[in-house]
Amino acid sequence: EPEVTQTPSHQVTQMGQEVILRCVPISNHLYFYWYRQILGQKVEFLVSFYNNEISEKSEIFDDQFSVERPDGSNFTLKIRSTKLEDSAMYFCASSQSPRGGYGYTFGSGTRLTVV
Amino acid sequence: KNEVEQSPQNLTAQEGEFITINCSYSVGISALHWLQQHPGGGIVSLFMLSSGKKKHGRLIATINIQEKHSSLHITASHPRDSAVYICAVREQAAGNKLTFGGGTRVLVKP
Repeated sequence: EPEVTQTPSHQVTQMGQEVILRCVPISNHLYFYWYRQILGQKVEFLVSFYNNEISEKSEIFDDQFSVERPDGSNFTLKIRSTKLEDSAMYFCASSQSPRGGYGYTFGSGTRLTVV
Repeated sequence: KNEVEQSPQNLTAQEGEFITINCSYSVGISALHWLQQHPGGGIVSLFMLSSGKKKHGRLIATINIQEKHSSLHITASHPRDSAVYICAVREQAAGNKLTFGGGTRVLVKP
């Protein structure tokens, strides 16, 4: 069964450093998403991406965050200057249709720890 | 603002028991997802519903759009069903994003 692949599975970074989280969505999916889950809290929407541009973003997704699809397969989330409160599990997801009509597929997550 | 509430927060069952998890939400939705999160953290999609009922193996999901309520049932529960089950909804007027409930932690004892 097709999978969404995320790398790395765990990243530890110093506060103030830049991190890039990587995702390979399912190949025929067109809509891509990033969500995060702070330990013990609900999963929260960050951003959705379609046709090489952001289609929607949350209040969390401020100027410190950016997304990119640098080639035909990867989808990345960059955090420019990490803060302690960025420590969370970050999930990439993809869907075939704009309203997830065929469902979402989530990656297994990247656990980011900012120290 | 849409609130997605799940109950119970925690549930312990003996192997073989029938389990029900509830989800309620406050605004009109276009679809509701049931997801499973294992201890390692990964999320697996179980069902997407916009009406009625779906069944997959021992899992059954139902939704009542008028009452803004959905249930996930696990029949003949097994220790491998132990996980966090999460309800997430896509609002009618809110693009593609999902709004998540807080999850129900299920432990099935042998």
